[in-house]
Amino acid sequence: GEDVEQSLFLSVREGDSSVINCTYTDSSSTYLYWYKQEPGAGLQLLTYIFSNMDMKQDQRLTVLLNKKDKHLSLRIADTQTGDSAIYFCAQRGGTGRRALTFGSGTRLQVQP
Amino acid sequence: GAGVSQSPSNKVTEKGKDVELRCDPISGHTALYWYRQSLGQGLEFLIYFQGNSAPDKSGLPSDRFSAERTGGSVSTLTIQRTQQEDSAVYLCASRSKDTEAFFGQGTRLTVV
Repeated sequence: GEDVEQSLFLSVREGDSSVINCTYTDSSSTYLYWYKQEPGAGLQLLTYIFSNMDMKQDQRLTVLLNKKDKHLSLRIADTQTGDSAIYFCAQRGGTGRRALTFGSGTRLQVQP
Repeated sequence: GAGVSQSPSNKVTEKGKDVELRCDPISGHTALYWYRQSLGQGLEFLIYFQGNSAPDKSGLPSDRFSAERTGGSVSTLTIQRTQQEDSAVYLCASRSKDTEAFFGQGTRLTVV
């Protein structure tokens, strides 16, 4: 089956690094994604990583993929109050349905 | 348009009535997805259209739900005989072969 799991809540202080973790079960995943959802808004694609990579960096964002453990993480450096949102991990499988399977989201709260 | 457009943005309906939700994907995007996000939950896949292929309806929760995509562009999600548990935000996303999925702002459906 396709399951994606995330912790529900993370609180950090402004300026600290945030690390949001995700585990998935589908070993045929081809792409893994991080989406951000601000209150009352749709989903914004932050970054994604192809399954044959183990790290991708994009400005303040670093994605780490451990394919053996099926573990994905998103690190946000120098976290700002504007980073407060819900972050969704998602995977796209390599076979069958090409839709994204999402985790339930991690609410990041950044305290000044 | 520049992004995925959904209408209406909010819909309040009485239990038992039918509703239609509309999605205008990004021009040229061949894939279109519908997801449902219940309060405090992750995204639940509903249906996926890819070009002229038969849609993947495996996520539709009951036969009260249906969707169509006319001319490979605009899509309509129809919920018949709405129930209170249908209250959620319905999100549409579109994707081309060379891009990742972009989401609309969603339609917030409230069944009273």
